[in-house]
Amino acid sequence: SQQGEEDPQALSIQEGENATMNCSYKTSINNLQWYRQNSGRGLVHLILIRSNEREKHSGRLRVTLDTSKKSSSLLITASRAADTASYFCATDAARANKLTFGTGTQLKVEL
Amino acid sequence: DGGITQSPKYLFRKEGQNVTLSCEQNLNHDAMYWYRQDPGQGLRLIYYSQIVNDFQKGDIAEGYSVSREKKESFPLTVTSAQKNPTAFYLCASSIALAAYNEQFFGPGTRLTVL
Repeated sequence: SQQGEEDPQALSIQEGENATMNCSYKTSINNLQWYRQNSGRGLVHLILIRSNEREKHSGRLRVTLDTSKKSSSLLITASRAADTASYFCATDAARANKLTFGTGTQLKVEL
Repeated sequence: DGGITQSPKYLFRKEGQNVTLSCEQNLNHDAMYWYRQDPGQGLRLIYYSQIVNDFQKGDIAEGYSVSREKKESFPLTVTSAQKNPTAFYLCASSIALAAYNEQFFGPGTRLTVL
């Protein structure tokens, strides 16, 4: 089973709105990463959060981690049409030194 | 420009044929990975390599083979033993084999079995 499960599977918002995606996992982790994938392309790393961190920011991105709930959220503020992509979380929960990717959230930002 | 390249972008093969997907990186990374992505699903690890002349099976290695004769190259062969090979294949690299390292991805190869 997937260690990372994103929620929702798909999200459609208007430009300028905020987008929130959630990731849940089953076992303890050391690190959690978020990646972005444009349609038919490779993944691009967005941000990494360690298990002893609760929140990180990078530009319009805000990531939170709640290890007690085994969940993370990715917030994109003031979304733009160019943010349209799939977003994946990846954890090291299942095996040391390697990442396990979730099923992703498809975000569509409409003009 | 530093980066990771995959070729070809699209690949078609007939059932029963082996096919090799190319992956090259000039990032001087030690670790390289191959993932498979099916529609609406996440990435599943096929094989990974920590260093030259070493590679390990991932979660779905059956029907696939790899080699790591050079640091910059990690080709994946999809053999006729792979029951359902039609998928999007992604190669990635990282500076070392550790889950806290960012992985850099190639643009992918879409394989279709006719």
